[in-house]
Amino acid sequence: GQQVMQIPQYQHVQEGEDFTTYCNSSTTLSNIQWYKQRPGGHPVFLIQLVKSGEVKKQKRLTFQFGEAKKNSSLHITATQTTDVGTYFCAVNTNAGKSTFGDGTTLTVKP
Amino acid sequence: DTEVTQTPKHLVMGMTNKKSLKCEQHMGHRAMYWYKQKAKKPPELMFVYSYEKLSINESVPSRFSPECPNSSLLNLHLHALQPEDSALYLCASSPQGGAGELFFGEGSRLTVL
Repeated sequence: GQQVMQIPQYQHVQEGEDFTTYCNSSTTLSNIQWYKQRPGGHPVFLIQLVKSGEVKKQKRLTFQFGEAKKNSSLHITATQTTDVGTYFCAVNTNAGKSTFGDGTTLTVKP
Repeated sequence: DTEVTQTPKHLVMGMTNKKSLKCEQHMGHRAMYWYKQKAKKPPELMFVYSYEKLSINESVPSRFSPECPNSSLLNLHLHALQPEDSALYLCASSPQGGAGELFFGEGSRLTVL
Protein backbone atom coordinates (compact mmCIF):
# COMPACT_ATOMS: atom_id res chain seq x y z
CA GLY A 1 0.00 0.00 0.00
CA GLN A 2 0.90 3.65 -0.15
CA GLN A 3 3.61 4.40 2.37
CA VAL A 4 5.34 7.57 3.33
CA MET A 5 8.46 7.96 5.44
CA GLN A 6 8.62 10.94 7.77
CA ILE A 7 11.76 12.30 9.40
CA PRO A 8 12.97 13.14 11.93
CA GLN A 9 10.99 11.28 14.57
CA TYR A 10 11.78 13.87 17.23
CA GLN A 11 13.10 17.43 17.13
CA HIS A 12 14.04 19.52 20.14
CA VAL A 13 14.64 23.21 19.50
CA GLN A 14 15.21 26.38 21.44
CA GLU A 15 12.43 28.90 21.09
CA GLY A 16 13.16 31.09 18.12
CA GLU A 17 15.00 28.40 16.15
CA ASP A 18 13.62 27.01 12.92
CA PHE A 19 12.15 23.53 12.46
CA THR A 20 11.63 21.31 9.43
CA THR A 21 10.00 17.93 8.98
CA TYR A 22 10.12 15.89 5.80
CA CYS A 23 7.93 13.26 4.17
CA ASN A 24 9.23 11.03 1.41
CA SER A 25 7.51 8.50 -0.81
CA SER A 26 8.92 6.00 -3.29
CA THR A 27 5.92 6.56 -5.55
CA THR A 28 4.34 9.64 -7.06
CA LEU A 29 1.68 11.12 -4.85
CA SER A 30 -1.59 12.64 -6.00
CA ASN A 31 -1.63 14.97 -3.03
CA ILE A 32 -0.38 15.27 0.53
CA GLN A 33 -1.92 16.70 3.68
CA TRP A 34 -0.31 17.99 6.85
CA TYR A 35 -1.82 17.74 10.33
CA LYS A 36 -0.80 18.95 13.78
CA GLN A 37 -1.66 17.09 16.95
CA ARG A 38 -1.07 18.85 20.25
CA PRO A 39 -0.19 16.71 23.29
CA GLY A 40 -3.40 15.08 24.50
CA GLY A 41 -5.29 16.42 21.49
CA HIS A 42 -6.55 15.26 18.15
CA PRO A 43 -5.10 15.78 14.66
CA VAL A 44 -6.00 19.13 13.13
CA PHE A 45 -5.78 19.67 9.39
CA LEU A 46 -3.23 22.29 8.35
CA ILE A 47 -3.03 22.17 4.57
CA GLN A 48 -3.28 20.07 1.42
CA LEU A 49 -0.76 20.25 -1.42
CA VAL A 50 -1.72 19.05 -4.87
CA LYS A 51 0.49 20.63 -7.54
CA SER A 52 4.06 19.76 -8.43
CA GLY A 53 6.46 22.26 -6.86
CA GLU A 54 3.69 23.90 -4.87
CA VAL A 55 4.65 26.19 -1.99
CA LYS A 56 2.09 27.45 0.49
CA LYS A 57 2.56 29.66 3.53
CA GLN A 58 0.56 30.08 6.70
CA LYS A 59 2.17 32.78 8.83
CA ARG A 60 5.41 31.16 10.07
CA LEU A 61 4.68 27.81 8.41
CA THR A 62 5.87 27.02 4.89
CA PHE A 63 4.74 23.87 3.08
CA GLN A 64 6.40 22.52 -0.04
CA PHE A 65 5.54 19.74 -2.46
CA GLY A 66 8.42 18.40 -4.52
CA GLU A 67 8.65 18.75 -8.26
CA ALA A 68 8.35 14.98 -8.67
CA LYS A 69 5.49 14.85 -6.16
CA LYS A 70 7.37 12.29 -4.11
CA ASN A 71 8.35 14.44 -1.15
CA SER A 72 7.07 17.27 0.95
CA SER A 73 8.28 19.43 3.79
CA LEU A 74 6.89 21.61 6.54
CA HIS A 75 9.12 24.41 7.79
CA ILE A 76 8.41 26.56 10.83
CA THR A 77 10.33 29.81 11.16
CA ALA A 78 11.21 31.11 14.63
CA THR A 79 9.42 28.47 16.65
CA GLN A 80 7.24 29.38 19.59
CA THR A 81 6.11 27.27 22.53
CA THR A 82 2.67 27.09 20.94
CA ASP A 83 4.20 25.10 18.08
CA VAL A 84 4.80 22.02 20.26
CA GLY A 85 3.09 18.88 19.13
CA THR A 86 3.37 16.12 16.58
CA TYR A 87 3.23 16.98 12.91
CA PHE A 88 1.93 14.30 10.55
CA CYS A 89 1.88 14.12 6.82
CA ALA A 90 -0.83 12.00 5.22
CA VAL A 91 -1.29 10.67 1.72
CA ASN A 92 -4.32 9.35 -0.11
CA THR A 93 -4.53 6.14 -2.06
CA ASN A 94 -6.69 5.50 -5.09
CA ALA A 95 -8.90 3.42 -2.82
CA GLY A 96 -9.83 6.48 -0.81
CA LYS A 97 -7.65 5.77 2.20
CA SER A 98 -5.67 8.37 4.07
CA THR A 99 -2.40 6.93 5.40
CA PHE A 100 -0.36 8.86 7.93
CA GLY A 101 3.38 9.13 8.29
CA ASP A 102 4.88 8.27 11.66
CA GLY A 103 4.98 11.94 12.64
CA THR A 104 7.62 14.33 13.94
CA THR A 105 7.28 15.37 17.56
CA LEU A 106 8.46 18.91 18.18
CA THR A 107 9.42 20.18 21.60
CA VAL A 108 10.34 23.83 22.12
CA LYS A 109 12.46 24.96 25.04
CA PRO A 110 11.56 28.49 26.20
CA ASP B 1 -13.11 23.56 18.65
CA THR B 2 -14.13 20.67 16.44
CA GLU B 3 -17.29 20.24 14.41
CA VAL B 4 -17.09 16.48 14.80
CA THR B 5 -18.44 15.43 18.16
CA GLN B 6 -17.48 12.17 19.81
CA THR B 7 -18.94 10.56 22.92
CA PRO B 8 -17.93 9.42 25.40
CA LYS B 9 -14.58 11.16 25.83
CA HIS B 10 -13.39 8.42 28.15
CA LEU B 11 -14.54 4.81 28.50
CA VAL B 12 -13.37 2.01 30.74
CA MET B 13 -14.73 -1.43 30.04
CA GLY B 14 -14.14 -5.04 30.93
CA MET B 15 -13.43 -7.71 28.38
CA THR B 16 -16.97 -9.07 28.61
CA ASN B 17 -18.73 -5.72 28.26
CA LYS B 18 -20.59 -4.34 25.27
CA LYS B 19 -20.26 -0.62 24.68
CA SER B 20 -20.55 1.84 21.80
CA LEU B 21 -18.67 4.91 20.68
CA LYS B 22 -20.64 7.62 18.93
CA CYS B 23 -19.69 10.26 16.42
CA GLU B 24 -21.75 13.06 14.91
CA GLN B 25 -21.08 15.74 12.30
CA HIS B 26 -23.40 18.35 10.83
CA MET B 27 -21.17 19.68 8.10
CA GLY B 28 -22.94 17.73 5.37
CA HIS B 29 -19.87 15.57 4.85
CA ARG B 30 -20.50 12.35 2.94
CA ALA B 31 -17.57 10.28 4.18
CA MET B 32 -16.86 9.27 7.77
CA TYR B 33 -13.96 7.37 9.24
CA TRP B 34 -12.85 5.49 12.34
CA TYR B 35 -9.18 5.62 13.24
CA LYS B 36 -7.35 3.97 16.12
CA GLN B 37 -4.34 5.69 17.66
CA LYS B 38 -1.96 4.17 20.17
CA ALA B 39 0.38 6.34 22.21
CA LYS B 40 3.21 7.93 20.20
CA LYS B 41 1.90 6.35 16.99
CA PRO B 42 0.06 7.77 13.97
CA PRO B 43 -3.67 7.23 13.51
CA GLU B 44 -4.43 3.89 11.86
CA LEU B 45 -7.44 3.60 9.59
CA MET B 46 -10.10 1.11 10.65
CA PHE B 47 -13.25 1.80 8.63
CA VAL B 48 -14.53 4.18 5.98
CA TYR B 49 -18.16 4.94 5.23
CA SER B 50 -18.89 6.72 2.00
CA TYR B 51 -22.43 7.90 1.36
CA GLU B 52 -23.56 5.79 4.33
CA LYS B 53 -22.13 2.58 2.94
CA LEU B 54 -19.12 0.76 4.32
CA SER B 55 -16.45 1.19 1.68
CA ILE B 56 -13.28 0.18 3.52
CA ASN B 57 -12.65 -2.29 6.34
CA GLU B 58 -8.96 -2.53 7.12
CA SER B 59 -9.21 -6.16 8.26
CA VAL B 60 -10.45 -5.06 11.65
CA PRO B 61 -11.39 -7.86 14.09
CA SER B 62 -15.10 -8.55 14.31
CA ARG B 63 -15.18 -7.45 17.96
CA PHE B 64 -15.33 -3.96 16.42
CA SER B 65 -18.57 -3.38 14.54
CA PRO B 66 -19.22 -0.08 12.76
CA GLU B 67 -22.62 1.33 11.99
CA CYS B 68 -23.71 4.39 10.03
CA PRO B 69 -27.40 5.07 10.84
CA ASN B 70 -27.47 8.18 8.64
CA SER B 71 -25.14 10.64 6.96
CA SER B 72 -24.50 12.54 10.20
CA LEU B 73 -23.92 9.66 12.59
CA LEU B 74 -21.28 6.99 12.96
CA ASN B 75 -21.11 4.40 15.70
CA LEU B 76 -18.52 1.86 16.70
CA HIS B 77 -19.88 -1.08 18.67
CA LEU B 78 -17.44 -2.82 20.95
CA HIS B 79 -17.75 -6.36 22.27
CA ALA B 80 -15.34 -8.78 23.92
CA LEU B 81 -12.38 -6.44 23.55
CA GLN B 82 -8.86 -7.21 24.65
CA PRO B 83 -6.56 -5.03 26.79
CA GLU B 84 -4.43 -4.35 23.71
CA ASP B 85 -7.46 -2.62 22.17
CA SER B 86 -6.97 0.22 24.65
CA ALA B 87 -6.31 3.31 22.56
CA LEU B 88 -7.67 6.65 21.41
CA TYR B 89 -10.45 6.11 18.87
CA LEU B 90 -10.80 8.99 16.47
CA CYS B 91 -13.74 9.73 14.24
CA ALA B 92 -13.23 11.89 11.19
CA SER B 93 -15.27 13.18 8.29
CA SER B 94 -14.51 14.59 4.86
CA PRO B 95 -16.71 16.38 2.35
CA GLN B 96 -16.56 13.47 -0.07
CA GLY B 97 -15.07 10.04 -0.23
CA GLY B 98 -11.46 9.70 -1.29
CA ALA B 99 -10.11 11.21 1.93
CA GLY B 100 -8.46 14.58 1.31
CA GLU B 101 -8.94 17.00 4.20
CA LEU B 102 -10.10 15.13 7.30
CA PHE B 103 -11.95 16.78 10.16
CA PHE B 104 -11.26 14.87 13.35
CA GLY B 105 -13.25 14.69 16.54
CA GLU B 106 -11.52 14.93 19.89
CA GLY B 107 -11.55 11.17 20.24
CA SER B 108 -12.76 8.60 22.73
CA ARG B 109 -10.05 7.27 25.01
CA LEU B 110 -10.79 3.62 25.65
CA THR B 111 -9.30 1.49 28.40
CA VAL B 112 -10.01 -2.23 28.41
CA LEU B 113 -9.37 -3.97 31.72
